[in-house]
Amino acid sequence: KAGVTQTPRYLIKTRGQQVTLSCSPISGHRSVSWYQQTPGQGLQFLFEYFSETQRNKGNFPGRFSGRQFSNSRSEMNVSTLELGDSALYLCASSLLGDSNQPQHFGDGTRLSIL
Amino acid sequence: DAKTTQPPSMDCAEGRAANLPCNHSTISGNEYVYWYRQIHSQGPQYIIHGLKNNETNEMASLIITEDRKSSTLILPHATLRDTAVYYCIVRVLTYGGSQGNLIFGKGTKLSVKP
Repeated sequence: KAGVTQTPRYLIKTRGQQVTLSCSPISGHRSVSWYQQTPGQGLQFLFEYFSETQRNKGNFPGRFSGRQFSNSRSEMNVSTLELGDSALYLCASSLLGDSNQPQHFGDGTRLSIL
Repeated sequence: DAKTTQPPSMDCAEGRAANLPCNHSTISGNEYVYWYRQIHSQGPQYIIHGLKNNETNEMASLIITEDRKSSTLILPHATLRDTAVYYCIVRVLTYGGSQGNLIFGKGTKLSVKP
C-alpha cells in the first residue's frame, strides 16, 4: 500500500511570492493534517481536513490556507511568503482522524525562502 | 492535550534493548499514548500507541504503568537504523471529532552505537 505522497520535495521561493504544496493521502484515508517543522519551533499543527471541510486549525496566520478535494487529496497554500516560512511542511493522513487511529506522515516538502 | 517529559538524549549499544521513558503525569483517563520517531530528513514514523494495556507490534513494545503516569517504549534489539528522535505524545480519545492534531514536544534523540 502506497504511503503519503507529498510534492514537490524541495521548493525555493522569494519573499512576497505564494506557494502551493500537494499531498496525496494513503488510499482510503479521509483525514489529512498539515504540520510545519522548523528548528526553533519544532513540529506545529497547521490544520486538518476531513470530507473537504477544515475541522481543526492551529495558531497560524491567515496567509496559510488549505483545501481538500473529493478524492481526499489536499493542498496547502502560503501567500505573501516571509523568510520565517522556511520550513519542512509535513502532511499526515488517517482513516477518519479519530484519536485512536494513527496518523501516517509523508516525507514533506522543504520550502526555502530567499 | 497533556504534556510529556522525555530525556533529551540517550545512547544504546547495537543489538541491545533500547528503553525510552516518557513521563505524562497529568494524563487523563481518555488520552492515548502515542510514539513516533523521526529519522533525519524524513517525516515522523508511527511506531505504536496504547490506552491502558501494554502493546506490542513488529517494531516495538509499549509498557504503560498502572497509574498511567509514565510509559516506556522498548526497541528489543536496536540497530544503527533505529538512530532517530523519538516522540512521546498523549492524545485525547474521541470518535468522529476534530482531534486530528498531534502536539509534538522535543523528543529523545536516541543514538545507537556499534
